[in-house]
Amino acid sequence: EVQLVESGGGLVQPGGSLRLSCEASGFTFSSYWMSWVRQAPEMGLEWVANIKQDGSEINYLDSVKGRFTISRDNSKKSLYLQMNSLRAEDTALYYCAITTMATGTFDYWGQGTLVTVSS
Amino acid sequence: DIQMTQSPSSVSASVGDRVTITCRASQGLSSWLAWFQQKPGKAPKLLIYGASSLQSGVPSRFSGSESGTYFTLTISSLQPEDFATYYCQQAKSFPWTFGQGTKVEIK
Repeated sequence: EVQLVESGGGLVQPGGSLRLSCEASGFTFSSYWMSWVRQAPEMGLEWVANIKQDGSEINYLDSVKGRFTISRDNSKKSLYLQMNSLRAEDTALYYCAITTMATGTFDYWGQGTLVTVSS
Repeated sequence: DIQMTQSPSSVSASVGDRVTITCRASQGLSSWLAWFQQKPGKAPKLLIYGASSLQSGVPSRFSGSESGTYFTLTISSLQPEDFATYYCQQAKSFPWTFGQGTKVEIK
């Protein structure tokens, strides 16, 4: 069974940092692109970043470029999102998702981890 | 960035009704369009990819179509488990973007 379990969310002050993790199981993690997608409270979905199987290609949403860093460790079957210089508008539920670039889809999602940026 | 405009924002329907949701892209997508279903407190679930291909395991009452920059998700006979919010998403170019969502509510 495919499982994606996010962790690392919490309450942080504006300007602070957090590192999100996503632990994968039930599929060959090293064979898939992976993405982070966020959803602000009672709002829609917003793609944040994605990373190729070997980490050699990475794409970011402009508003997080230079502040967020996506990475992965295939030996640990884990995806990460280092978030620095956090802003109130980064407050959201952050999902990791298996991504198929051939179809441009998020095939399977975790349950998310909540990030709240507030003083 | 490609803008995705979804309509309606909400629809009230009864079990057995045919429901149609539309997404308009600000530029051509060459079928790089997916549809997702999200139930309250749950993660989104992929329904349709490539504008009209049904994801494995998704009931055949769901279908997708494309006409130029207009994309349609149709539920042919609404079932109780279909009450949810539906999102379109384009993957033609980065940043990948979503529509604002359509909430399907019980009439």
